[in-house]
Amino acid sequence: QVQLVDSGGGVVQPGRSLRLSCVASGFTFTSYGMHWVRQAPGKGLEWVAVISDNANKKYYADSVKGRFTISRDNSKNTLYLQMNSLRAEDTAVYYCAKDRISQFFDYVFDYWGQGTLVTVSS
Amino acid sequence: QSALTQPASVSGSPGQSITISCTGTRSDVGGYNFVSWYQQHPGEAPKLMVYDVSARPSGVSNRFSGSKSGNTASLTISGLQAEDEAAYYCSSYTSSTTLVFGGGTLVTVL
Repeated sequence: QVQLVDSGGGVVQPGRSLRLSCVASGFTFTSYGMHWVRQAPGKGLEWVAVISDNANKKYYADSVKGRFTISRDNSKNTLYLQMNSLRAEDTAVYYCAKDRISQFFDYVFDYWGQGTLVTVSS
Repeated sequence: QSALTQPASVSGSPGQSITISCTGTRSDVGGYNFVSWYQQHPGEAPKLMVYDVSARPSGVSNRFSGSKSGNTASLTISGLQAEDEAAYYCSSYTSSTTLVFGGGTLVTVL
C-alpha cells in the first residue's frame, strides 16, 4: 500500500535552515508529481510547492518563493524540502502529498504523509 | 493568492443534508474545473473526498457530492453521520500554476 513518511522537523531559530524528507513506498515514485502542504497550529491548509515526476518543473507559493526549494531523489524514492531563512510564520506541520495522476500533476492529493512539525522560535 | 472563502462552521442533525460553500474568483474556482475537497479529523492528515468538482475517489461514500456554479463550489453531505464531524477544506488550481485552499469549515453533527 502507498506510504509516505515525513521526517526532519524540529525547533529552529529564525533565519536558520532545515531540510525535510519524505520517503515514499507502495507506488512507482518516479511516475508522480509530489507536493508539500503545511498547516500552522490551529489553522488551515496551505499549499507550499510541487515538483514534477522528473523534477524538471517546480512551482512555489509566493510565501516561500526564494526561500524554500523542493527536490527529489528518484533513486531513493525520497522527496525533500530545503527551507532557508526561516521565519516564525513558517511554523507548521508539513505534509508531503502524492499527486493523483501520473506523468503530470493536477494538484489533487490522494495520499498524504503523517506530517512533521517545524517550529521556528528563538 | 488569497484563500478561498468558506463558512467557519456548519452543523446538522444526523440524517440531514448540509452544504459547504467555497467562493473564489475567475482566476481559480471560476476559471477551472479543478476544485477538490478534503476531510480532516483532529490529529490526522487530510483525506481526499471529491476532486475535479464532482468526482469521488474509490472508497468515498456517495453521500459526499460536489458541484460548482460560477465562482462558487459546494460540497454536500447527505444522510449526515457522526463520523462526518470534521474540518473540510476546498482547494482550487489557479491561473498562477499554484493551488489555493479555503480557510476550512468545521462540520458539527448535533
